[in-house]
Amino acid sequence: DAMVIQNPRYQVTQFGKPVTLSCSQTLNHNVMYWYQQKSSQAPKLLFHYYDKDFNNEADTPDNFQSRRPNTSFCFLDIRSPGLGDAAMYLCATSRDRTGSHEQYFGPGTRLTVT
Amino acid sequence: KQEVTQIPAALSVPEGENLVLNCSFTDSAIYNLQWFRQDPGKGLTSLLLIQSSQREQTSGRLNASLDKSSGRSTLYIAASQPGDSATYLCAVNQGAQKLVFGQGTRLTINP
Repeated sequence: DAMVIQNPRYQVTQFGKPVTLSCSQTLNHNVMYWYQQKSSQAPKLLFHYYDKDFNNEADTPDNFQSRRPNTSFCFLDIRSPGLGDAAMYLCATSRDRTGSHEQYFGPGTRLTVT
Repeated sequence: KQEVTQIPAALSVPEGENLVLNCSFTDSAIYNLQWFRQDPGKGLTSLLLIQSSQREQTSGRLNASLDKSSGRSTLYIAASQPGDSATYLCAVNQGAQKLVFGQGTRLTINP
């Protein structure tokens, strides 16, 4: 049973055309994360939500935004995708931000920018 | 700044062998360490989570150890199978559940 669901699995967008990626979870976890993983590289944290509290990483470009309308859903918005934004985008959840909990990852959305 | 290194970057072994994957980190102030598996083009599957107070965790044929003081963790895979072929990533939790990942070890098990 899927616990962290990402849609779509594959997304093609044009250079400069806004795109939204979706993540939903059935775990009722408080924290949701977005990671970017470029080819053959380690995943890199973009930002996370602790409940409704948004936490941006210092080096995340302004081009990347996120929304969390409720506990179950979180969206990643790329306002003006560039060729360098082509990557796998991974959503993850955890029960809370204390140190003891695992992060659970979704299957990812592979974004292609043409 | 925390840096996580995984050696080797790639490993190819015959089926049935036992093997060890290595992970090192520069800052020992971690809450826990998590090992993941990633199949090509897919998301991450959590394999084992070791809390900073623990020395090892086991799940089936997998055993992960943690030596926080020396900044090292190992993932031991017993009796490897072709289905174990994947990229294995370790990640350290530095607080607020922020994971810092290594680059991964790409493992190939040859039948």
